[in-house]
Amino acid sequence: DTAVSQTPKYLVTQMGNDKSIKCEQNLGHDTMYWYKQDSKKFLKIMFSYNNKELIINETVPNRFSPKSPDKAHLNLHINSLELGDSAVYFCASSKGAQFAETQYFGPGTRLLVL
Amino acid sequence: AQSVTQPDIHITVSEGASLELRCNYSYGATPYLFWYVQSPGQGLQLLLKYFSGDTLVQGIKGFEAEFKRSQSSFNLRKPSVHWSDAAEYFCAVGAAGGGADGLTFGKGTHLIIQP
Repeated sequence: DTAVSQTPKYLVTQMGNDKSIKCEQNLGHDTMYWYKQDSKKFLKIMFSYNNKELIINETVPNRFSPKSPDKAHLNLHINSLELGDSAVYFCASSKGAQFAETQYFGPGTRLLVL
Repeated sequence: AQSVTQPDIHITVSEGASLELRCNYSYGATPYLFWYVQSPGQGLQLLLKYFSGDTLVQGIKGFEAEFKRSQSSFNLRKPSVHWSDAAEYFCAVGAAGGGADGLTFGKGTHLIIQP
């Protein structure tokens, strides 16, 4: 069984559209994260959720909004997509909120905005 | 705020040769250090981590890393690389108490294995 899964794996869309990426973990972890990896492979954390509460929120545009219906899911909604949003988005989870905990990553969602 | 520097963007190593990937960090307190590997088209997999104790840590796939506080370094090593080790390697530092600094990644080192 996949520990952290993301759907879709690939997403191609037009500028201005609204899209969502889903993430699910079956590890029983309390904390989930979203990372953005740009074209130069640089990884930067966007959000994390612990027990359904946002605990960090980096300087990302408010067009991005994480939604956690339950502890096992953290979905990423993106409104009014822009060309610069093209990237690979990784979901991750960890047992606890402290960043000393090992984070387990999903396979990534490759988003291309045309 | 913490930061991580991986000085080598690309490294080419012959199969069977030894490997060392460099990582330097900046953090005010004792850091929590990680090495992750990303194979082409895949997510990140944890190779090893250092929290405290023995400064030489062993990981999966035959990798090890040594924490050197005096040099603010956490270099990754492998005595003999295999073609399957070709991947992107990321060093990361985490804040001991969690919080807004979060897990900070270096920009990665792309490892190429020559036959």
